[in-house]
Amino acid sequence: DAGVTQSPTHLIKTRGQHVTLRCSPISGHKSVSWYQQVLGQGPQFIFQYYEKEERGRGNFPDRFSARQFPNYSSELNVNALLLGDSALYLCASSSSEGVNYGYTFGSGTRLTVV
Amino acid sequence: RKEVEQDPGPFNVPEGATVAFNCTYSNSASQSFFWYRQDCRKEPKLLMSVYSSGNEDGRFTAQLNRASQYISLLIRDSKLSDSATYLCVVPRSGGYNKLIFGAGTRLAVHP
Repeated sequence: DAGVTQSPTHLIKTRGQHVTLRCSPISGHKSVSWYQQVLGQGPQFIFQYYEKEERGRGNFPDRFSARQFPNYSSELNVNALLLGDSALYLCASSSSEGVNYGYTFGSGTRLTVV
Repeated sequence: RKEVEQDPGPFNVPEGATVAFNCTYSNSASQSFFWYRQDCRKEPKLLMSVYSSGNEDGRFTAQLNRASQYISLLIRDSKLSDSATYLCVVPRSGGYNKLIFGAGTRLAVHP
């Protein structure tokens, strides 16, 4: 079985540009969450989607948005990129909406904003 | 105060050593806890789950002290391959669900 897949793996963007990151969860998993990990810190929660509905949003500006598609894959969009958006963006999937059994993470998209 | 706090390290230990990491959390209602391992520039991977007082898996032992709100991870007989960052993770439920990560403790095992 394929794990959580994310694309692209690396990305370099210029300040002010827009970026779209993609995630395919493990087959059968209906919950997708997005996390941002800045160098030297632990991952920070951005969004959770379950059954195509947004279930939660972390403390991120409106420049960050996401959606989940009928096949449960998901996109994270970031507008008006800032240098501080440079980070590893991680997608996690789980079979349920709950969080008490942990998540499986994809290998991430490393975004560099210059 | 941060919701999850860890000693950032680094812990530099020789092969074969026993090393312990501590993690404190602020939400007394938390019921389950995780330790994730993250290799340099890779994604976090679930190492251990802790649902009651503790859990043991081979050389790894996780213990939970609810009264003091801390979780520990003990690694015995350290291997070179144990070199990584260990992330203490506390799930938050209610309204929506998310994982709250500590900043991680770096371990370097040397020959």
